[in-house]
Amino acid sequence: AQSVTQLDSHVSVSEGTPVLLRCNYSSSYSPSLFWYVQHPNKGLQLLLKYTSAATLVKGINGFEAEFKKSETSFHLTKPSAHMSDAAEYFCVVSDPTGNQFYFGTGTSLTVIP
Amino acid sequence: ETGVTQTPRHLVMGMTNKKSLKCEQHLGHNAMYWYKQSAKKPLELMFVYSLEERVENNSVPSRFSPECPNSSHLFLHLHTLQPEDSALYLCASSQATGIGTDTQYFGPGTRLTVL
Repeated sequence: AQSVTQLDSHVSVSEGTPVLLRCNYSSSYSPSLFWYVQHPNKGLQLLLKYTSAATLVKGINGFEAEFKKSETSFHLTKPSAHMSDAAEYFCVVSDPTGNQFYFGTGTSLTVIP
Repeated sequence: ETGVTQTPRHLVMGMTNKKSLKCEQHLGHNAMYWYKQSAKKPLELMFVYSLEERVENNSVPSRFSPECPNSSHLFLHLHTLQPEDSALYLCASSQATGIGTDTQYFGPGTRLTVL
């Protein structure tokens, strides 16, 4: 069975400082992992995805994530937070068929000016 | 814009009403999804359609009835809902490959309130 755990429900950072949003996964298979972002009153937007190629994945808006099989983690990072990064972030794992997507409970990121 | 539109954006209905949510994708995708997003809960996948056939139904109550007349349109028909059904309903589409690597493109959602 697949599942994800987002370890922090809220993260607060100052503008210009690094961002770390943590995600651990559980999967019976070699997983596909995604990070999505949701701004207020908007749908979800894909930031990046891991599909068993390079373990360091670069996404949009300066975000990247590293797949670490030994730690079953897929943490999202950004070197320098921007005010526009304030949003809800979701870590997702899919089953091998692509018919099931398992979402974490989300991490709300606040960026302090 | 992601290429996935949803109407209406907001809906208030009584428990005895019948209403429908509409989703349309302009991306040429072959799979569409309905999700329920409630406060403080993970997104719940409700229905999956691939090539206009339902492939997944995650034990959703029968008061929710999906319809996929073609690969571009998806409906969610609602009847005799309960207040706990109040949530944001999100539609998504993807180009399904059957190997779990698909990127989903989400619509903005319909905010449903059941009185």
